[in-house]
Order: sequence, then structure tokens, then C-alpha cells
Amino acid sequence: DAKTTQPPSMDCAEGRAANLPCNHSTISGNEYVYWYRQIHSQGPQYIIHGLKNNETNEMASLIITEDRKSSTLILPHATLRDTAVYYCIVRVARSNDYKLSFGAGTTVTVRA
Amino acid sequence: EAGVAQSPRYKIIEKRQSVAFWCNPISGHATLYWYQQILGQGPKLLIQFQNNGVVDDSQLPKDRFSAERLKGVDSTLKIQPAKLEDSAVYLCASSLEVRTGGAGAKNIQYFGAGTRLSVL
Repeated sequence: DAKTTQPPSMDCAEGRAANLPCNHSTISGNEYVYWYRQIHSQGPQYIIHGLKNNETNEMASLIITEDRKSSTLILPHATLRDTAVYYCIVRVARSNDYKLSFGAGTTVTVRA
Repeated sequence: EAGVAQSPRYKIIEKRQSVAFWCNPISGHATLYWYQQILGQGPKLLIQFQNNGVVDDSQLPKDRFSAERLKGVDSTLKIQPAKLEDSAVYLCASSLEVRTGGAGAKNIQYFGAGTRLSVL
């Protein structure tokens, strides 16, 4: 699976949009981009995923560049509860092979 | 819907002792995973089960770690004997198998809160 690069940390203000970048320059055509987050003392939580189209759900939006070499997770109105480590993961969709390869992620701190 | 249950939440043992962790996945989820998360790092997959069969255990230190999933439901992960470097959070996750083209990418893993192991 392709390797991803994320900034180690970032701060954002409560109520503002948080834009989390992820580089995956070696992504292959059959690899999806997944985002999970991990709040302190909890297990990781799925946020969103996509292949090449932009995606939106109740938690966030995922913007994937046209060449698919990078993506941005957008939390539209960050709250204090969004403080967590955010993981960008690239994964091939193969039956019976769903393992997630986590990097170090981005530690996001939302400040009041 | 009940989530993934793990117990115990915390465990403190001395090196060379043995320890076991238990996981109850979400009902109906065929795939179960055990991850190890060392402080400051992302989770690392140890083993993946599909029903009660092992799909991937390439990262499991088999000289000391073992795992089983009886009847394709609950699972236990055991360490015997434990080493200092085994201090970590052990996470269990489960997911629903989706056997359609492309939809395999929609396999979402649901994680438990984990067991924090301290080896002294």
C-alpha cells in the first residue's frame, strides 16, 4: 500500500474549518484514501473515504486532487471534541485484505 | 448497536508473566483484527481473522504471541512470556465482509477502546 505523509501537528480555532493535508504521491489507481481519527484513550474511528471524487458525510469532507497525489480532510466547524490524532491511510480494495497501515498521523488541537 | 467490547481495560504484569486479552466484536462481523499501539505511534496490525480462520498473521511475534477466535465470534490474544517492549495498547477491531466489486473498499473497521498493558 502507498505511503502517506502528514504534518505531525496543527492547531485550529473552535468554530472554524480545519483543513488537514495528506500527501500520497505514490498512490495507485486502485487504492482508496481513508481517514480515521483517534481521540485520547479511545480506539480509532472511521471518518470518511474516497477513490477520486470528492466525498462528504455528516462528519467531514474529503477533497482529492485530480492527480490523486494528495488530499485534504475538512472538518467544517471544528469543536473541542474534534481534538484527536487524524490518520490518512491509503489502501487497496482487495477481498479479504482489509488491513489498515497507520502512520503517526496529525495531532489536531482545537482551541477555544 | 453495541460496539466492540474489550477486557480488561488495564493490565499490569511483570516481565516473563503471561497475559490474555479478550474481544467481543460487533454482532455479525466476520472479520476481526488485533492491533498493537505503542505510545506515540499508530496502531500496527498483529493478526486478522476471517470467521475463525487466520487471514494474516505476518506481523505476529509467534514465539510469544498467540490468538484464537473460537466459533468465529469472540477472540483472545495471549502473550507468554511478556517482555518490557510489549507495553502498549492492544486494540481489537471488527468489520463486515462485503463481497461485491469496488464495495470491498467500503469495509469499515470498528475499534474497541483497547487494553493498556504495562510490563514492569
